[in-house]
Amino acid sequence: KAGVTQTPRYLIKTRGQQVTLSCSPISGHRSVSWYQQTPGQGLQFLFEYFSETQRNKGNFPGRFSGRQFSNSRSEMNVSTLELGDSALYLCASSLDYGQGYEQYFGPGTRLTVT
Amino acid sequence: GQNIDQPTEMTATEGAIVQINCTYQTSGFNGLFWYQQHAGEAPTFLSYNVLDGLEEKGRFSSFLSRSKGYSYLLLKELQMKDSASYLCAVRDVGNYGQNFVFGPGTRLSVLP
Repeated sequence: KAGVTQTPRYLIKTRGQQVTLSCSPISGHRSVSWYQQTPGQGLQFLFEYFSETQRNKGNFPGRFSGRQFSNSRSEMNVSTLELGDSALYLCASSLDYGQGYEQYFGPGTRLTVT
Repeated sequence: GQNIDQPTEMTATEGAIVQINCTYQTSGFNGLFWYQQHAGEAPTFLSYNVLDGLEEKGRFSSFLSRSKGYSYLLLKELQMKDSASYLCAVRDVGNYGQNFVFGPGTRLSVLP
């Protein structure tokens, strides 16, 4: 079974631009979560989607948004990029929504904002 | 508020046992997870606790005390490949439903 895939793997953008990242979960998994990882802040939860609906949300500004499609694939968008948005963005999928479900992480998208 | 603490770094010898502690303060609690992350790689799931007590999974065990806001990950028979960061995460109930709060991670170095 294929793992979680994320595209692109690396991305360079300039301040003020916007970016869209894509995540394809493991086949059969219906929940997708997004995380931002930086050396200074560690791993921070962005949001979780299930059945095309945002179920949970972390403490990030409205510039960060996401969506999930009927095939469970998910995208996240960051508008008006800032230098501080440079990070590794990780997507994780799980079989279902709710407590206890194991999350499988993708390899991440490394975003650099210049 | 939300706060998760872990030691920043630990060192242990191959074949030994190491315990990585995690303390947390969250407004709500709906489970605690441990992940392993090797440098340059994505985190991989190790264990999940929602009730008090010990969960054993091969060489790895995880303990939870909800009343103390405390968990530990126990690694036995350490191997060189266990050198990695270990992340403690709590599924918390926040303003927008449940969300995952991760600790800063503990970087474990296993020496020969």
